[in-house]
Amino acid sequence: EVLLVESGGGLVQPGGSLRLSCEASGFTFNNNGMSWVRQAPGKGLEWVSGHSGISTNTYYAGPVKGRFTISRDNSKNTLYLQMDSLRVEDTATYYCARDLKSGTDGITYFQQWGQGTLVTVSS
Amino acid sequence: EIVLTQSPATLSLSPGDTATLSCRASQSIINYLAWYQQKPGQSPRLVIYDTSNRATGIPARFSGSGSGTDFTLTISNLEPEDFGVYYCQQRSNWPRTFGQGTKLEIK
Repeated sequence: EVLLVESGGGLVQPGGSLRLSCEASGFTFNNNGMSWVRQAPGKGLEWVSGHSGISTNTYYAGPVKGRFTISRDNSKNTLYLQMDSLRVEDTATYYCARDLKSGTDGITYFQQWGQGTLVTVSS
Repeated sequence: EIVLTQSPATLSLSPGDTATLSCRASQSIINYLAWYQQKPGQSPRLVIYDTSNRATGIPARFSGSGSGTDFTLTISNLEPEDFGVYYCQQRSNWPRTFGQGTKLEIK
């Protein structure tokens, strides 16, 4: 069974930092692209960042580029999102998602999702 | 950035009806479109990818069609568990983007 378990969310002040983790199990982690997708309260889905499974390529959405950093530790089957210079508009549930296509570069679709971790940016 | 516009915003139907959801892209995305279902308090679930391919475990009453800029998700013979919010998503260009969602509710 595939499991994606996010952690690290919480309350942080504007300008602060937070690191999210996503521990994966049930599939070959180092062969799969992985992404972070967020959802503000009562709003739709927004792709945030992705990390290729077979290369070091990383990808970011415009609003987070230069502030967020995605990384992965294949020895620990874990995906990370370092979030710096946080803004009120970053408040959302952050989902970790496994890419549909394994063994390929880039990010395509999201076949499995974690339960999400809530990040609240507020003073 | 490719903008995906979904319509209608809300669709009210009864079990047994057929639902037709639309997703229009601001430029051609060939056939690189997926659909997701999200129920309240749950994570999204992949339903359709590359326009017309059903994801694992998705019943045959779900079908997708379209190409270029106009895409449709059709759900035949609606079951109670089909209700929720549906999002489209493209993988043609960076950044990956989602539509704003269509809420499929029970009439």
